[in-house]
Amino acid sequence: AQSVTQLDSHVSVSEGTPVLLRCNYSSSYSPSLFWYVQHPNKGLQLLLKYTSAATLVKGINGFEAEFKKSETSFHLTKPSAHMSDAAEYFCVVSTMDTGRRALTFGSGTRLQVQP
Amino acid sequence: GAGVSQSPSNKVTEKGKDVELRCDPISGHTALYWYRQSLGQGLEFLIYFQGNSAPDKSGLPSDRFSAERTGGSVSTLTIQRTQQEDSAVYLCASSPGTLANEQYFGPGTRLTVT
Repeated sequence: AQSVTQLDSHVSVSEGTPVLLRCNYSSSYSPSLFWYVQHPNKGLQLLLKYTSAATLVKGINGFEAEFKKSETSFHLTKPSAHMSDAAEYFCVVSTMDTGRRALTFGSGTRLQVQP
Repeated sequence: GAGVSQSPSNKVTEKGKDVELRCDPISGHTALYWYRQSLGQGLEFLIYFQGNSAPDKSGLPSDRFSAERTGGSVSTLTIQRTQQEDSAVYLCASSPGTLANEQYFGPGTRLTVT
């Protein structure tokens, strides 16, 4: 079985300060991990993905995430927040132990960016 | 190029009525997924189609829910005898193939059952 835990339901930062959105996963096998972003009234957009290549993954809009197997974490970071980053962020895990099962989504973290 | 499209974008229906939601995946994508997102919740997996294989229906919440995918392309999610708890945004996603591939999501259909 696999699961994803997003440790914060809400995160609030000031514009220009760093962003950290935390994600822990559990999986019996080597996972593929994703971060998706959902802006209000918009569809889900892929930010980045990890599939057993480099542990530090760079995504769009200046976001990056580091896969840490020893900590079973895949935290999302950005050095400097922008107002347009305000959205809901989902950490997602996929492993072959679920066969053809679809991805498992975390419950989401709402990021607020204060001016 | 064209992304995943869904129709209708909004649907209001009376309790007990049947509804059909449509998804047009990205051309050439062999995998298609349906999810449900209730207010303030994460995504709940419903069903997964991969090529010509039998679909994975393990996420369907009840036998009132069914889905089909015709010709390996367009998919329809049907909810029979709708209940108020079915109110949610229904999202469709397609993918080039394996679980390691990212999924491309449509804009969703917002279903409201009155």
